[in-house]
Amino acid sequence: ETGVTQSPTHLIKTRGQQVTLRCSSQSGHNTVSWYQQALGQGPQFIFQYYREEENGRGNFPPRFSGLQFPNYSSELNVNALELDDSALYLCASSLEQATSGNTIYFGEGSWLTVV
Amino acid sequence: GIQVEQSPPDLILQEGANSTLRCNFSDSVNNLQWFHQNPWGQLINLFYIPSGTKQNGRLSATTVATERYSLLYISSSQTTDSGVYFCAVEPTGGFKTIFGAGTRLFVKA
Repeated sequence: ETGVTQSPTHLIKTRGQQVTLRCSSQSGHNTVSWYQQALGQGPQFIFQYYREEENGRGNFPPRFSGLQFPNYSSELNVNALELDDSALYLCASSLEQATSGNTIYFGEGSWLTVV
Repeated sequence: GIQVEQSPPDLILQEGANSTLRCNFSDSVNNLQWFHQNPWGQLINLFYIPSGTKQNGRLSATTVATERYSLLYISSSQTTDSGVYFCAVEPTGGFKTIFGAGTRLFVKA
């Protein structure tokens, strides 16, 4: 139990549709990061939010966007879904920014299938 | 960017056996963590170990930052140790955590 919760756990979408995934951080954590993990691979960094501002982004197109709310919960939005977007999406929270060397804690993930 | 390589990619053990997993990284790091991912996708933090040695029960880890590698030791393996073990690093001056491809461990009863 890491204290990080994600929803939904599983979902199926059609190519071209939009999806919103949600994450509640561990209590007191003000930094949240999102990762995409394709089958058989390690998680790939999408972006990080610190105190409601995006402060880092990986190699993902603009149709991947996010929000962090005042209570530090977060959303990941993906527009114009493609088949290759099928993956496990992981949310991780930490106290302060990762550059401070703090441990990050992961949620159980949201399994997205695009058909 | 920084490269993170894990070895071996796959490992099959008999219950009770010991093993060593390795993580090599190509540049200096602020942070290094080892994670275990269970079959349902949950990533559990095992160690936060940018340098030095730590032990937690049957698991221990050592990071030699100057030589850019980390080792995870599993002793007296159990079937519940099965899963994927990831090494993840945060490059110095960076903001994101970079994962290796993982070591897939299967422990046979």
